Amino acid sequence: QQQVKQSPQSLIVQKGGISIINCAYENTAFDYFPWYQQFPGKGPALLIAIRPDVSEKKEGRFTISFNKSAKQFSLHIMDSQPGDSATYFCAASRLKAAGNKLTFGGGTRVLVKP
Amino acid sequence: DGGITQSPKYLFRKEGQNVTLSCEQNLNHDAMYWYRQDPGQGLRLIYYSQIVNDFQKGDIAEGYSVSREKKESFPLTVTSAQKNPTAFYLCASRGQAFSSYEQYFGPGTRLTVT
Repeated sequence: QQQVKQSPQSLIVQKGGISIINCAYENTAFDYFPWYQQFPGKGPALLIAIRPDVSEKKEGRFTISFNKSAKQFSLHIMDSQPGDSATYFCAASRLKAAGNKLTFGGGTRVLVKP
Repeated sequence: DGGITQSPKYLFRKEGQNVTLSCEQNLNHDAMYWYRQDPGQGLRLIYYSQIVNDFQKGDIAEGYSVSREKKESFPLTVTSAQKNPTAFYLCASRGQAFSSYEQYFGPGTRLTVT
């Protein structure tokens, strides 16, 4: 059972454009929602994360929007750059559950064209 | 430099052989995790350990085994019972429960079984 659904699977955007990736979750007990960035052949690295007590969090060109009632959250990459070309994963976890296990979405491959 | 090391980067084995993947961290983290990543898919949890000498099965533990004899080390053995062992394996670690949410990932080991 896939508890975090991510879309689209791939995305092509022109340099300077906005990349938008969406995730939907089922488990209302989730209370931590990170986004990871992964370059080919490398391990994922935390990009930005949000807790459900806020509706938006911005760090530089990256913004998470969170809609608790809809059980959805999204990543916006503003002014996309070729160096942003990577695979992005959303994830969710229950912070106080044993192991603090992350459940990942399927990933979105983003290509930023110069 | 603090971080997580995984070795080797590439590993080739014949079908029917057990193989052990190494994961070492010098971040003084208590929790460690093993994930499997298949092409175009998200990360799936194999095993995790919150303290030394204790570990728990994740979502896809069948055909795998782990040990946690030292805080800094969490090796994963892919046994001959794993039906589709070819994948990219990622190790991660996390600090003390409730004081650090972020999971830090290693660079991964790509295992190919023929």
